[in-house]
Amino acid sequence: DAKTTQPPSMDCAEGRAANLPCNHSTISGNEYVYWYRQIHSQGPQYIIHGLKNNETNEMASLIITEDRKSSTLILPHATLRDTAVYYCIVMGGGGADGLTFGKGTHLIIQP
Amino acid sequence: DSGVTQTPKHLITATGQRVTLRCSPRSGDLSVYWYQQSLDQGLQFLIQYYNGEERAKGNILERFSAQQFPDLHSELNLSSLELGDSALYFCASSVGQSEPYEQYFGPGTRLTVT
Repeated sequence: DAKTTQPPSMDCAEGRAANLPCNHSTISGNEYVYWYRQIHSQGPQYIIHGLKNNETNEMASLIITEDRKSSTLILPHATLRDTAVYYCIVMGGGGADGLTFGKGTHLIIQP
Repeated sequence: DSGVTQTPKHLITATGQRVTLRCSPRSGDLSVYWYQQSLDQGLQFLIQYYNGEERAKGNILERFSAQQFPDLHSELNLSSLELGDSALYFCASSVGQSEPYEQYFGPGTRLTVT
């Protein structure tokens, strides 16, 4: 059972903001939203995570809706090196576990 | 560079054989995770160890086993290999064993079974 829904692919022009949506309508109150990306068969890379509040780090911003049923990852100034598959993952509940990767969104940055 | 190292980078072996993949976590990380990525199954969680103890199991086959040693490095043993075991195997590490935490992935080992 998929916990998240993401568009299979998206394009974005270099230098523009890339906004990647994720639906997680069945998220529980103690579950976090994580974003990872994988650049062409490299190891996945952690980007950001959040619980309720919006979060920002040096890589990206994470906007979580008030009802927590969806979120958006924002890459503020996309570069060609941001071309990758982006995975939105919901997990938590106080216990450790492995990440459950869906199919993700293949983001292609166009020059 | 995530700080997680994996050896070897590539491995080619025959069906029925046994191989060992090795992972060294980031300095200070106590948890190690193993993942398999194949073309048809995507990225799948196999198993997690925390400070030497098995902590969580995912879709790991009985032919596969893992362990984490006192120095915190981990090994994934794959035996009676089949063609379908050909995949990228990633190791990841994290500081603790409970939320929230981020996992840092190694560069992977590409296993080809012929």
